[in-house]
Amino acid sequence: GAGVSQTPSNKVTEKGKYVELRCDPISGHTALYWYRQSLGQGPEFLIYFQGTGAADDSGLPNDRFFAVRPEGSVSTLKIQRTERGDSAVYLCASSLGSGVWGYTFGSGTRLTVV
Amino acid sequence: ELKVEQNPLFLSMQEGKNYTIYCNYSTTSDRLYWYRQDPGKSLESLFVLLSNGAVKQEGRLMASLDTKARLSTLHITAAVHDLSATYFCAVYSNFGNEKLTFGTGTRLTIIP
Repeated sequence: GAGVSQTPSNKVTEKGKYVELRCDPISGHTALYWYRQSLGQGPEFLIYFQGTGAADDSGLPNDRFFAVRPEGSVSTLKIQRTERGDSAVYLCASSLGSGVWGYTFGSGTRLTVV
Repeated sequence: ELKVEQNPLFLSMQEGKNYTIYCNYSTTSDRLYWYRQDPGKSLESLFVLLSNGAVKQEGRLMASLDTKARLSTLHITAAVHDLSATYFCAVYSNFGNEKLTFGTGTRLTIIP
């Protein structure tokens, strides 16, 4: 596609529920990243995929968070047993190779846990 | 652990004035990015700086990188209202991982 697409744009869920956030990167971009941005803060790294594999998942806060990219294109970030502290904007980015030419961010999914 | 600090955090300036936003980082890096974010929107790429001494300009914005001082600047010339936004720098670590570490952002308000 022309840009990085994220769905849904907004998600409200109850505490304890399971959510999935989807990212469709720019066609041909091999690298895909998830970041989380809390209000008034800069984005924080969660996980990086090169192709289908998670090359670096050091930013995932705990084992309730998991992400997949089974065919090397679309990625899904999965959050189990959501907590109010998970409320944030989840941003996805993709790049061609290692990002020397820059990273393109999607418009994000605003997750609110009530 | 790589730390990235921006200052100022908030900046209110009049149209037509010049100002500079500073981005300091704590460990070796030779790749730095500047982004703009409007309220409720995603990050728009402004500049990619890939080497010591790199300078890039686009319109009223100019960015530079000094890897020895671990410092990047974003200079605004003759500010106009539509530059009001939050500006982030993001640093790429040289030490093997692929993540960007972002500063806390500078919220810029241009007053007519």
